[in-house]
Amino acid sequence: KAGVTQTPRYLIKTRGQQVTLSCSPISGHRSVSWYQQTPGQGLQFLFEYFSETQRNKGNFPGRFSGRQFSNSRSEMNVSTLELGDSALYLCASSAQQGTNTEAFFGQGTRLTVV
Amino acid sequence: GENVEQHPSTLSVQEGDSAVIKCTYSDSASNYFPWYKQELGKRPQLIIDIRSNVGEKKDQRIAVTLNKTAKHFSLHITETQPEDSAVYFCAASGSGTYKYIFGTGTRLKVLA
Repeated sequence: KAGVTQTPRYLIKTRGQQVTLSCSPISGHRSVSWYQQTPGQGLQFLFEYFSETQRNKGNFPGRFSGRQFSNSRSEMNVSTLELGDSALYLCASSAQQGTNTEAFFGQGTRLTVV
Repeated sequence: GENVEQHPSTLSVQEGDSAVIKCTYSDSASNYFPWYKQELGKRPQLIIDIRSNVGEKKDQRIAVTLNKTAKHFSLHITETQPEDSAVYFCAASGSGTYKYIFGTGTRLKVLA
């Protein structure tokens, strides 16, 4: 069974640009969540999706948005990039909603804003 | 707001010794507490978890304890090995949600 796949693995963008990151969950998983990982702030929750519906949103500005498609694949978008958006963006997929099962993380997309 | 404090931030132990990492959470509604291990350059991986209706859980050399009254939970690793060297994150969440509030991580170094 393939794991959680995130693309691209690395991105370099310029301030003011926008970026779209993609996450393909484990086959059969319908729950996808996103996290931002930085050395200073650790792992911070961005979004949680289940069956195309956003279930929770973290404390990030409106420049951060996401969505989930009918095949459970998810994308997140960051507009008007700032230097502080440089981070490792991780997504995790899980099999169920309503009861906690293991969340499997992808390898992440490392975004560098210059 | 929701917060998870994790201590210590770094921990060095001799091979064979035990390691203990402690976390405190603020949200009384939290009832699921996973622990993740992240090796350098790799993805976080679940090593053990505990639910609020259980006080302790063991899996070979790893154990987690939970004190709901004090809002504390701890990871215990016995007979540490060099391959245990990594960053460990605790997290807390409510029932059925994958909105994890993570601690800031503990860098564990096991010295051979």
